[in-house]
Amino acid sequence: ILNVEQSPQSLHVQEGDSTNFTCSFPSSNFYALHWYRWETAKSPEALFVMTLNGDEKKKGRISATLNTKEGYSYLYIKGSQPEDSATYLCAPHGSGNTGKLIFGQGTTLQVKP
Amino acid sequence: DVKVTQSSRYLVKRTGEKVFLECVQDMDHENMFWYRQDPGLGLRLIYFSYDVKMKEKGDIPEGYSVSREKKERFSLILESASTNQTSMYLCASNNQGRGLNSPLHFGNGTRLTVT
Repeated sequence: ILNVEQSPQSLHVQEGDSTNFTCSFPSSNFYALHWYRWETAKSPEALFVMTLNGDEKKKGRISATLNTKEGYSYLYIKGSQPEDSATYLCAPHGSGNTGKLIFGQGTTLQVKP
Repeated sequence: DVKVTQSSRYLVKRTGEKVFLECVQDMDHENMFWYRQDPGLGLRLIYFSYDVKMKEKGDIPEGYSVSREKKERFSLILESASTNQTSMYLCASNNQGRGLNSPLHFGNGTRLTVT
């Protein structure tokens, strides 16, 4: 897996807005996809690890879907709050790259109160 | 909770110095990783290790080496620091026993400045 694209690069929303970002990756040789949240001055924190096509995972107001056939994953945040402000990273994992996650550049979300 | 501890939060070193970045995890994880993060480039893997005394190159190993003498400790070494190694360095670990589904646990990062 060589190319991981996350869009948009940055996003500014108002508190209460719902939002979503995209992670695109080559669909061949897919094994798993990780999502992380990275708040300023903290360490990246795992949100989800997804492996199955059509998988949907949820953690509070945050959910993610996975399409391995077309090579994308969406992350949704419902009713954004200021504490959701962070950089969201996706990292697909190919079966041929044991131990190696390839990280996207991230989507930086700013939620204004 | 897994704790991954990096020895320094901020570090300033001179060009040509040998620099050691230390990382310790307390959950008996087999896998440990060193990444660097630069604006616009995302997290890039420098080196990783599956076991004690085992190491494998990541995507950008040039100018770096690593040491894993004990399972809980993974050190990143800059043999002769250069200004292009100014960056945020992140250590991570995960449980190989759970395979590739195991999420990474990250340290807080070391912001290294080489002058």
